[in-house]
Amino acid sequence: SQTIHQWPATLVQPVGSPLSLECTVEGTSNPNLYWYRQAAGRGLQLLFYSVGIGQISSEVPQNLSASRPQDRQFILSSKKLLLSDSGFYLCAWSVLGGGGQPQHFGDGTRLSIL
Amino acid sequence: AQRVTQPEKLLSVFKGAPVELKCNYSYSGSPELFWYVQYSRQRLQLLLRHISRESIKGFTADLNKGETSFHLKKPFAQEEDSAMYYCALSPGSARQLTFGSGTQLTVLP
Repeated sequence: SQTIHQWPATLVQPVGSPLSLECTVEGTSNPNLYWYRQAAGRGLQLLFYSVGIGQISSEVPQNLSASRPQDRQFILSSKKLLLSDSGFYLCAWSVLGGGGQPQHFGDGTRLSIL
Repeated sequence: AQRVTQPEKLLSVFKGAPVELKCNYSYSGSPELFWYVQYSRQRLQLLLRHISRESIKGFTADLNKGETSFHLKKPFAQEEDSAMYYCALSPGSARQLTFGSGTQLTVLP
């Protein structure tokens, strides 16, 4: 069966420090991969999605970047964190294909910027 | 651009009462619509999608294109239904999901 792993679960970082959040999927090939952010009291905002290795689409301009170095690995990064980067980050995957495919979520990373 | 609106941030009902979680969307084409649920200390997970026309855990949702709504309903709420519910839209052939801001449902004993 397919599983998704996301780490770390919580992270406290100072302003200006770098960031690397990792997400891996097992039990499937060529998944679509997604990074979402959930700010307090708001819905999930799609940050990035990827349909293949090295293919990244950005949904919103921001201080973050994403990379997909391997088929089932998706990394969210920042060179210098801002206070506004605080939030709950979720990774998700879906089977390769068009719309209508459900997405499967990881446990999330709670990021606090001091 | 598409948008999903869930007008109620919080909703409380008593056990055994009917419950309806509202979801309205704006999109000019034919969307795929979903309801996701997050129970306490669990992952966000798919509850149901309109193309399946299924009932999951007693919940149903009907797509009303005229009113651009996809309300989630259950005739008799249970305490274990207490959770955060998100409505989401996928615009046809695209892969992205646009989520509403969520409704926290509390079912009181």
